[in-house]
Amino acid sequence: QKEVEQNSGPLSVPEGAIASLNCTYSDRGSQSFFWYRQYSGKSPELIMFIYSNGDKEDGRFTAQLNKASQYVSLLIRDSQPSDSATYLCAVNVNNFNKFYFGSGTKLNVKP
Amino acid sequence: SQTIHQWPATLVQPVGSPLSLECTVEGTSNPNLYWYRQAAGRGLQLLFYSVGIGQISSEVPQNLSASRPQDRQFILSSKKLLLSDSGFYLCAWSFPDSNVLTFGAGSRLTVL
Repeated sequence: QKEVEQNSGPLSVPEGAIASLNCTYSDRGSQSFFWYRQYSGKSPELIMFIYSNGDKEDGRFTAQLNKASQYVSLLIRDSQPSDSATYLCAVNVNNFNKFYFGSGTKLNVKP
Repeated sequence: SQTIHQWPATLVQPVGSPLSLECTVEGTSNPNLYWYRQAAGRGLQLLFYSVGIGQISSEVPQNLSASRPQDRQFILSSKKLLLSDSGFYLCAWSFPDSNVLTFGAGSRLTVL
């Protein structure tokens, strides 16, 4: 399995703060990067994806990619208690039909 | 629109018993299909993926197998379950030219 590393957390932030979630990957052939949110006992759901170096914004979420450092992050602005979940980072290597996931970071947003 | 169904949602099986989990996708043709397993508190482990009928690629050698008897049907099986097979099994699909995975609701397996 390709290695995708995430800090397991939990990461605790107060409501309204910015939550920063990080992910590193080992395979330089990785071309597509994804963030999924998984509520306890539920299946993952896609938040956003990024292909190119730099930032990609979608509402309160911003994905950041640095291929040279093999690093991808997710910023959640104005965090809400409903954002409390586990966030999974995933990579697609060389656009093959395989997606590899990290173990996830648990986020707690405190009211 | 496309939907993905997985069943059963929950099952408890004794060690050494067989397993069959089923996944179907509606509303599309020739999807890529995937089986993942998530052990308690862990990330998703890719088990199998398929790009077409009868085409199965295995990521992790183990006592599990997968089959794709029809275009939109993906089955995960075992002849004899181990305790370590316990986990949350997730089926997912994507369009052939897409990098976006959509997951089913999952099947939670407990092996006793």
